[in-house]
Amino acid sequence: GDSVTQMEGPVTLSEEAFLTINCTYTATGYPSLFWYVQYPGEGLQLLLKATKADDKGSNKGFEATYRKETTSFHLEKGSVQVSDSAVYFCALRPNAGGTSYGKLTFGQGTILTVHP
Amino acid sequence: SAVISQKPSRDICQRGTSLTIQCQVDSQVTMMFWYRQQPGQSLTLIATANQGSEATYESGFVIDKFPISRPNLTFSTLTVSNMSPEDSSIYLCSVGGGGTETQYFGPGTRLLVL
Repeated sequence: GDSVTQMEGPVTLSEEAFLTINCTYTATGYPSLFWYVQYPGEGLQLLLKATKADDKGSNKGFEATYRKETTSFHLEKGSVQVSDSAVYFCALRPNAGGTSYGKLTFGQGTILTVHP
Repeated sequence: SAVISQKPSRDICQRGTSLTIQCQVDSQVTMMFWYRQQPGQSLTLIATANQGSEATYESGFVIDKFPISRPNLTFSTLTVSNMSPEDSSIYLCSVGGGGTETQYFGPGTRLLVL
């Protein structure tokens, strides 16, 4: 079955440091890939997405590129801020529709803490 | 985008009791989804709720434990029945998710069972 593996956390960085959170996946076909963020005490928010190979999703300074050859979707940000402290989830969803409609498969989440 | 609200936002319950969680969406949607996030864990899909038909449950989840209602295209409820401490989780309602479509999540209901 489909699966998503994220780098183990937690990750602790100083403000303005470079961030990478690794995400690799296993899926049949060509899924859509997502990064969701969960700020303390809040629900999930979509951060960015990519729906086909070589697409780059970007939002709020975060980027991730859909790499089919390495089955990866690593999240990067050039300069993190204290306000980026949150839990980040990588997820995939088959594009085929049908019985896979709405069925996101999530990674285990990575806790990011950014210090001033 | 869809705006989703959930009630209650949090609750503390005694074992053996039941809690019904409400999910309201600001637009009509065909399918709604219920996810569970256990403490320190990732999200797991519980079931898919279609208006006018019975919910479809994922492996490991059963209707007797998690009955779902879907009376119209903007509303759904999830009941957590005969609760035990293992049911302590965040329960999230979600909509969207066909093909490449974005999937939106509600703010979640934080449940603690004592």
